[in-house]
Amino acid sequence: AQKITQTQPGMFVQEKEAVTLDCTYDTSDQSYGLFWYKQPSSGEMIFLIYQGSYDEQNATEGRYSLNFQKARKSANLVISASQLGDSAMYFCAMREGYNQGGKLIFGQGTELSVKP
Amino acid sequence: GAVVSQHPSRVICKSGTSVKIECRSLDFQATTMFWYRQFPKKSLMLMATSNEGSKATYEQGVEKDKFLINHASLTLSTLTVTSAHPEDSSFYICSARDMARLNEQFFGPGTRLTVL
Repeated sequence: AQKITQTQPGMFVQEKEAVTLDCTYDTSDQSYGLFWYKQPSSGEMIFLIYQGSYDEQNATEGRYSLNFQKARKSANLVISASQLGDSAMYFCAMREGYNQGGKLIFGQGTELSVKP
Repeated sequence: GAVVSQHPSRVICKSGTSVKIECRSLDFQATTMFWYRQFPKKSLMLMATSNEGSKATYEQGVEKDKFLINHASLTLSTLTVTSAHPEDSSFYICSARDMARLNEQFFGPGTRLTVL
């Protein structure tokens, strides 16, 4: 069963507008972590934001915020004031358990294109 | 931030040869490193978890004898693709887990392998 699901293969957004990238997950663990990474065409994986399952507040990092809805098992990424440089693949990932090996399971990815 | 390097960044080899890819954590110690494989426009697929001083843990479906992993020190893990074939052509990415910051996992820039 797919543990991390990103249902948007591709998204378009106008420069300076906000965009939400969807991510839902499935786990029976009480303790887990959720991550978002950006992968530009160069291939490097750039860490954007992290949300722990016990964190009560939504994580924010600059223009990035994570809309964490635990009951719905969703962890959507919101990018505010989109920039042309935001065009890239975006991956949602989950780590089950606080210290169980630490391996990440990735979603299918969403390709974001920012239009001028 | 923590830096992970990979060498080589690109490699082209003939079918039947073996290729070694190095993953180094430059400014932190990593007891655990991970190896991923990625096809174009696709997600990262975890191949194996590499633990310093012990045998790697392979994901289901990944051939241990095909993809040899060695984690000889706290800063170096190597992936050797043995008897490479064209279907092994892919983007290989490593990541390292910082012992001091267990929530964070840092990725290398990736290695693009092309087998002719």
